[in-house]
Amino acid sequence: AQKVTQAQTEISVVEKEDVTLDCVYETRDTTYYLFWYKQPPSGELVFLIRRNSFDEQNEISGRYSWNFQKSTSSFNFTITASQVVDSAVYFCALSELNYGGATNKLIFGTGTLLAVQP
Amino acid sequence: DAMVIQNPRYQVTQFGKPVTLSCSQTLNHNVMYWYQQKSSQAPKLLFHYYDKDFNNEADTPDNFQSRRPNTSFCFLDIRSPGLGDAAMYLCATSRLAGTGTTEAFFGQGTRLTVV
Repeated sequence: AQKVTQAQTEISVVEKEDVTLDCVYETRDTTYYLFWYKQPPSGELVFLIRRNSFDEQNEISGRYSWNFQKSTSSFNFTITASQVVDSAVYFCALSELNYGGATNKLIFGTGTLLAVQP
Repeated sequence: DAMVIQNPRYQVTQFGKPVTLSCSQTLNHNVMYWYQQKSSQAPKLLFHYYDKDFNNEADTPDNFQSRRPNTSFCFLDIRSPGLGDAAMYLCATSRLAGTGTTEAFFGQGTRLTVV
């Protein structure tokens, strides 16, 4: 069965600290995508990154970085030098592809609430 | 510049009174999704359209229906809302690109309250 586990329910850090959000997934598919989304208090889900199952390269985008390891089925997200504006719920998600890959059903983890204190 | 637009942002309905939530997109994406997100929970897919093909999730209650009259619009109908249907409803879109499907683009959601 497809499953995403985010074991950290809440994390609280002080501004400028680095923080890592953990994500572990389960799937039987050989082709899949992994995602991170940010959900601020306003409610919309903001796309952060997509990674396909054949690309294990780590990625850095500004203060954000992602570590994808198929051997441990993990896709962890690190925020460097956190800021108050980073406060939000962060969701890791796994896609289930249908119609030969044309549609993208997302299976979400339960989310991690990140609170960055000034 | 909003790309996936949901109306209204907040909806209050009476127990048992049919309600419709709407979603429109300016992205010309061929796939549209409806997710339900209850308080402090992860979003859960209710159904999606691939063009005109409707795909219902196995555990989506019959109380929830959807319509997609054209590429741009998709509606979520709740025939007889119960208190347990109070949630944020999120619409999303995606399309098939050269390297596979794109990421899902989400609207701001409609927060439904049932009184």
